[in-house]
Order: sequence, then structure tokens, then C-alpha cells
Amino acid sequence: SAVISQKPSRDICQRGTSLTIQCQVDSQVTMMFWYRQQPGQSLTLIATANQGSEATYESGFVIDKFPISRPNLTFSTLTVSNMSPEDSSIYLCSGHRTGGVRRSYNEQFFGPGTRLTVL
Amino acid sequence: AQTVTQSQPEMSVQEAETVTLSCTYDTSESDYYLFWYKQPPSRQMILVIRQEAYKQQNATENRFSVNFQKAAKSFSLKISDSQLGDAAMYFCAFKPRYGNKLVFGAGTILRVKS
Repeated sequence: SAVISQKPSRDICQRGTSLTIQCQVDSQVTMMFWYRQQPGQSLTLIATANQGSEATYESGFVIDKFPISRPNLTFSTLTVSNMSPEDSSIYLCSGHRTGGVRRSYNEQFFGPGTRLTVL
Repeated sequence: AQTVTQSQPEMSVQEAETVTLSCTYDTSESDYYLFWYKQPPSRQMILVIRQEAYKQQNATENRFSVNFQKAAKSFSLKISDSQLGDAAMYFCAFKPRYGNKLVFGAGTILRVKS
């Protein structure tokens, strides 16, 4: 599987500011995703990062709040805009690759996450 | 829409013993994947094991094996000879073969006692 790195690993931010999280994959992937995870809870999908076009957002998430870029097949950014304490969470990037007959190779792997605290 | 249910919020196992984590899912798809992911306190999500729905044989990876019951829509994970390093949150996940999004369960915290 590929290796995904995220920067920063953690940050403490002030209310009203924005933070951009970077996600780098060490090889090309078909899809990239951004998730949010509260400590001890499951993952919630924010959006699918599409290369060269606007991201596809899940219900409850909007582009103005979480702008996403994906300029190539190995890199994506997620910005958390105009932050409030409710945005404090872990943000995870993932990559997905498929291939083979009938998509027999099908794997999604994850970055280490970014722990965001908003004061 | 697919749903994944993990009914055990927390489980404990003695080191070297065997533990089984439960997962059920609901879908109208006939061809899909099921996964178990492990997330230790370090937060890194690690794929433990994967099952393709059309394969009747249960997947096995070293000490980890699954009991896949397609008709019952059940997908449990058995960990044999439990080790301290197995302590983590375990997530069951579903994905249609030709879809791209994973659907996760709520997770089960596994504690390993020495």
C-alpha cells in the first residue's frame, strides 16, 4: 500500500482563523478523501477531492467552510475556514486505488491525521 | 443506503487469548468488499483484513481471521493469541465493488490485559 503523510500533525488555532492541511501520497491514487473524526468516534466523510475539478462534498459540509484542492494525483489540501471550537477534531486524508480484473485490487489507506484544537 | 453496525462499544481480552469482534451490515448490493481497520492511539488507520463478497472462503491474515456470513450480513473479526499491540479501536467498513466510498461502523475499543 502507499504511504500518506499529513502536515501539520497537530495545531492549536484561534477562533476565526483558517488552517490548511496538506496531504501527500508517495504514489498515484485514483481517489483522495478527507474525513473528520472526533476522538473515540467513527470517521465522517467530508468530501472527495477530485483532481482538476471541484471537490464533491457530503451532506452537511460546504465548500466555503472546507475548501479543498487537488492539483495532481498525489497531493491535496483541506482548509478549515473561519474556525470555531466546534471544528476541533482530527482530520484524516485517505487515498484509494483500484485495479485488476473486476477491480479485484481495491484498497483505501489513511494518513496519520491532523489533530486540530480551536480556542 | 448502506449501514454498518458494531454493537460492541468496548471489548477486553487477556493476552494470548482469543477475542471476536462483531459487525453486521445492511445493503442491497450483491458485490462488495468488507474491511476491518485498526486504529491504535497513534491514530494511524491500518487495514487489518479484507473480504470480497463473492468469495465464500473466509479471509485470514496471520492471527486475524473473519467469519463472513453473507446471508446473515455478518462479518466478525477473530483475533487469536492476542497481544498487547492489538489494543486499538477497530472499525468495520463496507464498500460496493464499483463504488468509491467506505461506510464505517461506530468502532469497537479493544483492550488487552497482561
